[in-house]
Amino acid sequence: ELKVEQNPLFLSMQEGKNYTIYCNYSTTSDRLYWYRQDPGKSLESLFVLLSNGAVKQEGRLMASLDTKARLSTLHITAAVHDLSATYFCAVLMEYGNKLVFGAGTILRVKS
Amino acid sequence: EPEVTQTPSHQVTQMGQEVILRCVPISNHLYFYWYRQILGQKVEFLVSFYNNEISEKSEIFDDQFSVERPDGSNFTLKIRSTKLEDSAMYFCASTRLAGYYNEQFFGPGTRLTVL
Repeated sequence: ELKVEQNPLFLSMQEGKNYTIYCNYSTTSDRLYWYRQDPGKSLESLFVLLSNGAVKQEGRLMASLDTKARLSTLHITAAVHDLSATYFCAVLMEYGNKLVFGAGTILRVKS
Repeated sequence: EPEVTQTPSHQVTQMGQEVILRCVPISNHLYFYWYRQILGQKVEFLVSFYNNEISEKSEIFDDQFSVERPDGSNFTLKIRSTKLEDSAMYFCASTRLAGYYNEQFFGPGTRLTVL
């Protein structure tokens, strides 16, 4: 069964600093998604990564996918308070259409 | 921009009662899903639905759960006899196609509280 592991699970960082969230998964898939969730809210799609070597950037966030290493990263550049949220990676099962989510990374950016 | 909608936003029920959670997927989407998130935990797949039948379900989706597309727009999740452990946020999602580009669009969720 596909397992998706994120680390760290909790990240407290100062404004202006950089950090990376890691997402490892256990079986072959080349479809990975990053979502943001604010407390009590739904899942906001951030990035859709569909092939090995895919890199996408939006503002201070950049996501990449290495399907050979079964690893995706979400890099935060010069964090600001508004980025505080929980970030989930999710992998699409190779057979079937279900998303398997990681445990989530709670990000707190302190000013 | 089209979006998935869900009602109610919050449902409180007594243990043993039946609840129906409603979703309106994006209008030209063909695949529908339910996920749930127990407070503070990760999002878990429950069931996928296509062409008026279940295409996949998880171990969580036992005989107490059922899904239905009663008309051309609604997609419902029914829990026949709720348990305390059913308390969670339930998210509906839809996608136009299965296959290579399969972004699932999530609704705002229904928070179910079982007392």
